[in-house]
Amino acid sequence: GQSLEQPSEVTAVEGAIVQINCTYQTSGFYGLSWYQQHDGGAPTFLSYNALDGLEETGRFSSFLSRSDSYGYLLLQELQMKDSASYFCAARDDKLIFGTGTRLQVFP
Amino acid sequence: SQTIHQWPATLVQPVGSPLSLECTVEGTSNPNLYWYRQAAGRGLQLLFYSVGIGQISSEVPQNLSASRPQDRQFILSSKKLLLSDSGFYLCAWGSGSPSGAHTDTQYFGPGTRLTVL
Repeated sequence: GQSLEQPSEVTAVEGAIVQINCTYQTSGFYGLSWYQQHDGGAPTFLSYNALDGLEETGRFSSFLSRSDSYGYLLLQELQMKDSASYFCAARDDKLIFGTGTRLQVFP
Repeated sequence: SQTIHQWPATLVQPVGSPLSLECTVEGTSNPNLYWYRQAAGRGLQLLFYSVGIGQISSEVPQNLSASRPQDRQFILSSKKLLLSDSGFYLCAWGSGSPSGAHTDTQYFGPGTRLTVL
């Protein structure tokens, strides 16, 4: 079957760094995306990795290792507004979403 | 710029009643359109996607159906709602091909929160 595994919840304090891991198992694979969703809101696109390595966009970075079927989202200089759910999504024939990681940032 | 609309924002329906949720996209032509459902505290489940007018692919067999009567309009329907149909329904459009190496970044609408009682 096809699945993506993420931790269900992560907590951290303002200013800290947090890493959200994602392992995937899909019949085909083209790349890994990350989406952010605040409570009651719609998911918004954060990043996409098609190749191995690190992609940096401001405070957020995303990493992919195809050989390990693994990726992560790195959030630096955490702010209260970063409290949200984060979903990894694997690009197979279509986009397959993980179950999400709820990040809680404390002051 | 592109905008995606969904309505209604919230809906409470009795079991056995019909359903029609509408999604429209502005600012782009021939988008790939998607319907997702999200149960409380869960991930996104792809229900349907469409690459063009009248072209619908179903991912999950159930009592829901979808139609695309116009290029930028996508409708989710049911003839008889079940309790298990409750959830947060999200419409999305994608800029790339729904399959293949291109990223097909998806842009989500505000969603419809459906409660079936």
